[in-house]
Amino acid sequence: GAVVSQHPSRVICKSGTSVKIECRSLDFQATTMFWYRQFPKQSLMLMATSNEGSKATYEQGVEKDKFLINHASLTLSTLTVTSAHPEDSSFYICSARDKGRQGASEQYFGPGTRLTVT
Amino acid sequence: GEDVEQSLFLSVREGDSSVINCTYTDSSSTYLYWYKQEPGAGLQLLTYIFSNMDMKQDQRLTVLLNKKDKHLSLRIADTQTGDSAIYFCAEKDSGYSTLTFGKGTMLLVSP
Repeated sequence: GAVVSQHPSRVICKSGTSVKIECRSLDFQATTMFWYRQFPKQSLMLMATSNEGSKATYEQGVEKDKFLINHASLTLSTLTVTSAHPEDSSFYICSARDKGRQGASEQYFGPGTRLTVT
Repeated sequence: GEDVEQSLFLSVREGDSSVINCTYTDSSSTYLYWYKQEPGAGLQLLTYIFSNMDMKQDQRLTVLLNKKDKHLSLRIADTQTGDSAIYFCAEKDSGYSTLTFGKGTMLLVSP
């Protein structure tokens, strides 16, 4: 149980286009989802916290108009990278918090999406 | 803000024990975690420890927590080549549901 999927797993797009990444909790409801960005050989940097039915909370330095987050249901959050540029190329990972569980391990990670902007 | 530090690289031989260390600054941490990341994949939760515990053992994994020194370690017994990966230490403080990650320790296990 507690599986989080991401789609697509890899995407290559041209500079100036927009890309949407989906994060789904497959067997639990997630009131909160988190979006992270990971550069090669570096740690995960939290970009934003996505709450179902409300606006996302962005970390300092993350442009909310560039990284659009929509958490329309208890099992789906989307991250749209608008007008992508090569510097947006990165590994994007989402995690989901299980609404029904409390405690240490209630956050589950997706497999990540590799975005390459050419 | 909170900070989590790890050594960047560890190399061991197959069959030896591996010890990965982590230090953190947030004294209000409630849970501390170890995650494993294989190349091109997401994070897999290996184990976690509640801040009022000193030690937790789970099969080949032993977590030691020294809360006074804010030091966390992960010991992997009988390390196998399949254990080669990046290991992230993370902490969660009492007020938020977000996690703060270290930069990760790359573990290389040679035959």
